[in-house]
Amino acid sequence: DQQVKQNSPSLSVQEGRISILNCDYTNSMFDYFLWYKKYPAEGPTFLISISSIKDKNEDGRFTVFLNKSAKHLSLHIVPSQPGDSAVYFCAALGTSYGKLTFGQGTILTVHP
Amino acid sequence: GAVVSQHPSWVICKSGTSVKIECRSLDFQATTMFWYRQFPKQSLMLMATSNEGSKATYEQGVEKDKFLINHASLTLSTLTVTSAHPEDSSFYICSRAARETQYFGPGTRLLVL
Repeated sequence: DQQVKQNSPSLSVQEGRISILNCDYTNSMFDYFLWYKKYPAEGPTFLISISSIKDKNEDGRFTVFLNKSAKHLSLHIVPSQPGDSAVYFCAALGTSYGKLTFGQGTILTVHP
Repeated sequence: GAVVSQHPSWVICKSGTSVKIECRSLDFQATTMFWYRQFPKQSLMLMATSNEGSKATYEQGVEKDKFLINHASLTLSTLTVTSAHPEDSSFYICSRAARETQYFGPGTRLLVL
């Protein structure tokens, strides 16, 4: 049972434009949602998170939006840069202390 | 800088041998650490939760006798893959909890021949 889903395996964006990465979840008990960036053969790097009681969180070029009624969240990167090219994972933190559930990941490619 | 380290970063071993992977929390005493594995082009799957001074909690479908976890100190958790076989070849990543997030180590690539 995939509780966190990223339905787009890949996304290609031109440098300077906006990248929008999407994530859906099924478990309404998740407390926090997180986005991680990952390069091949490296561990994930934390980008940004949002509490389930909020609908938006912004940090520099990264903004995460949460729509609880639709059980959907998205990560906006603007402006996109070639260095943003990586795999982005959406993750959800449940009531079990510290346990993260990951989506399948989306490969973002930002073209110069 | 890095807050979680792993050693080794790469390991190649023969089938039937055991391999130990170390995970260290560099900046914080971690009572809880986590072990994940990732197959190529797939998501990270939680294997187990490592608890300092007590037994690890394994996720459903993970063989606890095959993947031995020891969390003997507040800064070190180890994962031992016992009697490794080619199907155990994977990317193993550890993490430590930090409030509402987790910080991950750089991962260990295991190749079993």
